[in-house]
Amino acid sequence: QKEVEQDPGPLSVPEGAIVSLNCTYSNSAFQYFMWYRQYSRKGPELLMYTYSSGNKEDGRFTAQVDKSSKYISLFIRDSQPSDSATYLCASGRNNQGGKLIFGQGTELSVKP
Amino acid sequence: GAVVSQHPSWVICKSGTSVKIECRSLDFQATTMFWYRQFPKQSLMLMATSNEGSKATYEQGVEKDKFLINHASLTLSTLTVTSAHPEDSSFYICSARDDRIAFGPGTRLTVT
Repeated sequence: QKEVEQDPGPLSVPEGAIVSLNCTYSNSAFQYFMWYRQYSRKGPELLMYTYSSGNKEDGRFTAQVDKSSKYISLFIRDSQPSDSATYLCASGRNNQGGKLIFGQGTELSVKP
Repeated sequence: GAVVSQHPSWVICKSGTSVKIECRSLDFQATTMFWYRQFPKQSLMLMATSNEGSKATYEQGVEKDKFLINHASLTLSTLTVTSAHPEDSSFYICSARDDRIAFGPGTRLTVT
């Protein structure tokens, strides 16, 4: 079993839709959780960072972490064609200095 | 803050030759950097943890004699792919941690 599991998609939605992206993880020692966006042939860029459980909102993006069920979510409201990219969830432990375990990535396409 | 650069961004080499990729933290010092590899349509897989002034720590299945890592200073880590083969063609990405984890833009290696 992979430590972080993510449905690879692809996921296609119309412009303006609410997008829900999800990951599960198996290592209960994970303490921080990230969502990265990666455009084709580019390095990943950090979208959201959450420490421990709870919600975090930034503009159209909301990240949720439920440590009891080991479930990580990213919601995108009012999705735009420019949101079309691959979204990667990642998790790590505080005592590992930045080492991250990534999910497979979900390819999202927002159609105008 | 927390900007990471990589050089080169794209390199083509012939099978059997060696290629060096540089990862620099531009505005902070990083005692630890990480090297990831990403094959097309796949997620980032951690290859090794690069420690300033000491030997790198390699993940299981990564050949340390093939992927040489040197963390010569607090702002520079290098990955040398020795005796490259076509199957080493991939996207190599480094990361470093300041207050947040920052990723470099990646280096696309093509071995012919």
